[in-house]
Amino acid sequence: DAKTTQPNSMESNEEEPVHLPCNHSTISGTDYIHWYRQLPSQGPEYVIHGLTSNVNNRMASLAIAEDRKSSTLILHRATLRDAAVYYCILRGSILRSGGSNYKLTFGKGTLLTVNP
Amino acid sequence: NAGVMQNPRHLVRRRGQEARLRCSPVKGHSHVYWYRQLPEEGLKFMVYLQKENIIDESGMPKERFSAEFPKEGPSILRIQQVVRGDSAAYFCASSPRPERTDTQYFGPGTRLTVL
Repeated sequence: DAKTTQPNSMESNEEEPVHLPCNHSTISGTDYIHWYRQLPSQGPEYVIHGLTSNVNNRMASLAIAEDRKSSTLILHRATLRDAAVYYCILRGSILRSGGSNYKLTFGKGTLLTVNP
Repeated sequence: NAGVMQNPRHLVRRRGQEARLRCSPVKGHSHVYWYRQLPEEGLKFMVYLQKENIIDESGMPKERFSAEFPKEGPSILRIQQVVRGDSAAYFCASSPRPERTDTQYFGPGTRLTVL
């Protein structure tokens, strides 16, 4: 599986936008970029995913670089409830993942702290 | 709609005892995944099951661990003769399909403590 690189931690203030970067320089053309987050003492929660175009949903926006070697998760107005570890995960085709594209491979993620 | 339910939320066992962790997937989901999160580490895939079938158990320790997802009832992760190193949070997830575009919905986890 292609590897992702994220900063260990980031800090934000409440009500301000947050841009969480992810580098994935070895991404293949068929890999989807997924983001999950894990709030303290909870299970991971899906945030958003995309392939090539930027994506928006009620939780966040995903900006994907033109060469797809990096992406940015954007929280438009951070709240205290957004404090969590954010994981950027690539999900490839069955062939690329050796038949196991159902597996989510979690790295260390980015710990987002939101200051009141 | 009920999400993924796991019970118990907290489980304390002494070394050598058995631990049974239950997971009820989202209604209508027939694909279940178990992940383990050791203290200060990321989540690691353990096993993927469909109804009555183990599809991939490559992430599960070869001994003492087993999983099932019967036709009726919840998925069970069973750990026999627990050791201190089994202390971790165990998360179950489900999805309608195993495709790379499908969301996996996670439960709140079972936190296992082995004394």
